[in-house]
Amino acid sequence: QPVVTQEPSFSVSPGGTVTLTCGLISDSVSTNHYTSWYQQTPGQAPRTLIYDTNIRSSGVPARFSGSILGNKAALTITGAQADDESDYHCVLRMGGGIWVFGGGTRLTVL
Amino acid sequence: EVQLVESGGGLVQPGGSLRLSCAVSGFTFNTYWMTWVRQAPGKGLEWVANINEDGSENYYADSVKGRFTISRDNAKNSLYLQMNSLRAEDTSVYYCARFRGGLWGQGTLVIVSS
Repeated sequence: QPVVTQEPSFSVSPGGTVTLTCGLISDSVSTNHYTSWYQQTPGQAPRTLIYDTNIRSSGVPARFSGSILGNKAALTITGAQADDESDYHCVLRMGGGIWVFGGGTRLTVL
Repeated sequence: EVQLVESGGGLVQPGGSLRLSCAVSGFTFNTYWMTWVRQAPGKGLEWVANINEDGSENYYADSVKGRFTISRDNAKNSLYLQMNSLRAEDTSVYYCARFRGGLWGQGTLVIVSS
């Protein structure tokens, strides 16, 4: 199965902007991959932030946005807050009905 | 209220079987693909399987193909995962999810151990 890449870790200052990416080892990510982004804190179920590349899930603040940047999917957090410190996961829809998750990014806000 | 509630997890010996269920409410179940996702302790998320609206199509991760079977009963608004020939590496929290619109259950823990 194809490998989906994410930064293992990232840090951002409170109030700052950070862009996390979701890529493919040997291909470009496009809207045809229907990228979703999830936020997860320890012991909790994932919370959907973005699906279908750039659709914000119900109740998600507008400071979370999804896009395609170059050959990767991207999640941008504008005006980072302390409670944004979490793990962030992306998933891509591949051919043949298969979905593949990235390894996740641990975001630190400090 | 939209809800996805998993059940059926527990402790099982290697080689054993378990059937997970996901009871759905608050949306028209038979108009959505449904998915099982798992997460091993301290690890990332792993897509396991999905099934189309009427149950006629399903897909599996290579790691579970031939051992797990996804199914659904639209009359009961329920999703299932039959897990056979369980291995230690199947130990995870199992989530049911509706990817379109981003709905997830709270998960059920499966531990495979002797």
